[in-house]
Amino acid sequence: RKEVEQDPGPFNVPEGATVAFNCTYSNSASQSFFWYRQDCRKEPKLLMSVYSSGNEDGRFTAQLNRASQYISLLIRDSKLSDSATYLCAVGRDGQNFVFGPGTRLSVLP
Amino acid sequence: ETGVTQTPRHLVMGMTNKKSLKCEQHLGHNAMYWYKQSAKKPLELMFVYNFKEQTENNSVPSRFSPECPNSSHLFLHLHTLQPEDSALYLCASSQTLAGEYEQYFGPGTRLTVT
Repeated sequence: RKEVEQDPGPFNVPEGATVAFNCTYSNSASQSFFWYRQDCRKEPKLLMSVYSSGNEDGRFTAQLNRASQYISLLIRDSKLSDSATYLCAVGRDGQNFVFGPGTRLSVLP
Repeated sequence: ETGVTQTPRHLVMGMTNKKSLKCEQHLGHNAMYWYKQSAKKPLELMFVYNFKEQTENNSVPSRFSPECPNSSHLFLHLHTLQPEDSALYLCASSQTLAGEYEQYFGPGTRLTVT
């Protein structure tokens, strides 16, 4: 089993829709969690950190479920500009991140 | 100057050439990373440096040779590459060895080996 897994998609949704992605991790010692966004042929950019209590940034909400070992990203009111690949990253103290393979999102007009 | 810069942005080289990729971070970070991203594949961690010391070499072929002269600069020296080495090479940095701290990426060097 891979250490970090994501549904590769693609998720094709209409503008204005709500879409959610999950990212599962296998190492229960994982401590830090992040979502990145990667546009086609560009570098990954940090979207948000994921805190134990969950966090929200505008239309984006991230949640952590330690018991089931997954993190989620919810995007409300999807925009065309949200089309990208969303990568999760999982880390633990003194160890490198492990990135998931990414989930591709296409928001359609 | 923006956070993490990389040069060149694009590189075409023959299999017998020698070239170097450069990365510079202006964030005051102490850990730097090289990743490879091939078309439609996940990020592959290649090398990790923490306070200028290499802490990880992820079974990378010796035709890739990293160099970290200080905490702000990272190089990847390339020689006798193969066509399958064509990919996007990304540099990243973090406050210290990641796990706790987010990584910030440079724009990458798109490498084509002919």
